[in-house]
Amino acid sequence: DTGVSQDPRHKITKRGQNVTFRCDPISEHNRLYWYRQTLGQGPEFLTYFQNEAQLEKSRLLSDRFSAERPKGSFSTLEIQRTEQGDSAMYLCAIQRHSRQTPGTGELFFGEGSRLTVL
Amino acid sequence: GEDVEQSLFLSVREGDSSVINCTYTDSSSTYLYWYKQEPGAGLQLLTYIFSNMDMKQDQRLTVLLNKKDKHLSLRIADTQTGDSAIYFCAEIPLLGGSYIPTFGRGTSLIVHP
Repeated sequence: DTGVSQDPRHKITKRGQNVTFRCDPISEHNRLYWYRQTLGQGPEFLTYFQNEAQLEKSRLLSDRFSAERPKGSFSTLEIQRTEQGDSAMYLCAIQRHSRQTPGTGELFFGEGSRLTVL
Repeated sequence: GEDVEQSLFLSVREGDSSVINCTYTDSSSTYLYWYKQEPGAGLQLLTYIFSNMDMKQDQRLTVLLNKKDKHLSLRIADTQTGDSAIYFCAEIPLLGGSYIPTFGRGTSLIVHP
């Protein structure tokens, strides 16, 4: 158990529909990341939050992608007007570190939400 | 280069050693990581090395770091079929100040009897 729960695990949708993925970090953490992973590739950074602040969103793939994190708890990633090229695994990860426990910067990943756009 | 680079595939016989190589981008990265991804699962940290170290050993795993060449390797001794997975090299580049973990494309390790 990595302390990160993602839902749904698999979403099949038709092109043009909107989809939303949810990430619930169960464990204490500082940062929450969203990555996309396509077949044969490593995780590709999309955006991240520090508490409820979204500190980097320029790497979101297009203006159809948006992420939110109300109240600094769970996070959602929405894709509007989905395209076949959006088919991928969407990974959420948390990073735990603080001044008291600097840690090593490792990420704890959820199992991902797989999107298939028909 | 600007990307974390890894070879895509490695095939070994059970019981042999596996060596997976990686070239990273930022010589100021404080920690370098190896993550493992099994089929249908998320990534899990396998091991890491602090940048002031040349080598780290953890049971069957040995990590070697060459900071001058920005080269990282992972050696798995006595490779087992359960080691078959995709292995990702990762760094947290300090350049630019965002400290965003950056991953390679992954090396698919295939272990055959």
